[in-house]
Amino acid sequence: EPEVTQTPSHQVTQMGQEVILRCVPISNHLYFYWYRQILGQKVEFLVSFYNNEISEKSEIFDDQFSVERPDGSNFTLKIRSTKLEDSAMYFCASTRDGDKGVKRFYEQYFGPGTRLTVT
Amino acid sequence: GIQVEQSPPDLILQEGANSTLRCNFSDSVNNLQWFHQNPWGQLINLFYIPSGTKQNGRLSATTVATERYSLLYISSSQTTDSGVYFCAVVETGRRALTFGSGTRLQVQP
Repeated sequence: EPEVTQTPSHQVTQMGQEVILRCVPISNHLYFYWYRQILGQKVEFLVSFYNNEISEKSEIFDDQFSVERPDGSNFTLKIRSTKLEDSAMYFCASTRDGDKGVKRFYEQYFGPGTRLTVT
Repeated sequence: GIQVEQSPPDLILQEGANSTLRCNFSDSVNNLQWFHQNPWGQLINLFYIPSGTKQNGRLSATTVATERYSLLYISSSQTTDSGVYFCAVVETGRRALTFGSGTRLQVQP
């Protein structure tokens, strides 16, 4: 069964450093998402991406964050200058939404997450 | 934005017991999903259920969209059911999921 994959599973970085989190969405999916979960809290939406551009972003997704689809399979989240409060689990998700131009909503599938620790 | 409230926040069961988890949402939705977050932090899809009833083994779910709630039923609970259960919705006009705060379930042997 196809699944969303994420690398690395755990990343430790120092405050002020740049990190890139990588995701490979399910191959026939068109919408991609990043969410984050600070330890002990609920999952929060960061950004969605469709047709090579940001579709929607939350207030959390400020100028230190960026997303990119550098090739036909990868989807990345870059944090330019990490802060202590960026420590969290970051989840990538994908969905078939937008398939064949049909306006319906499909199930979102989540990757296993990258645990980012900023020291 | 939409509010998603889950109850109870914490639940302790003896193995073999049944339980019902509730998710209330404050506005109309295009999508509703239930997830189980395991001890390793992974989000496991349980149900995609914007309306109606579905069953998968010992788990079943019902969403009454017109009344803005969804229920997750766990029957004959096992210790492996322990973890956090999240309800998440896509409100009309958006595509991102908004998550509830979760129900933390502990099943004791």
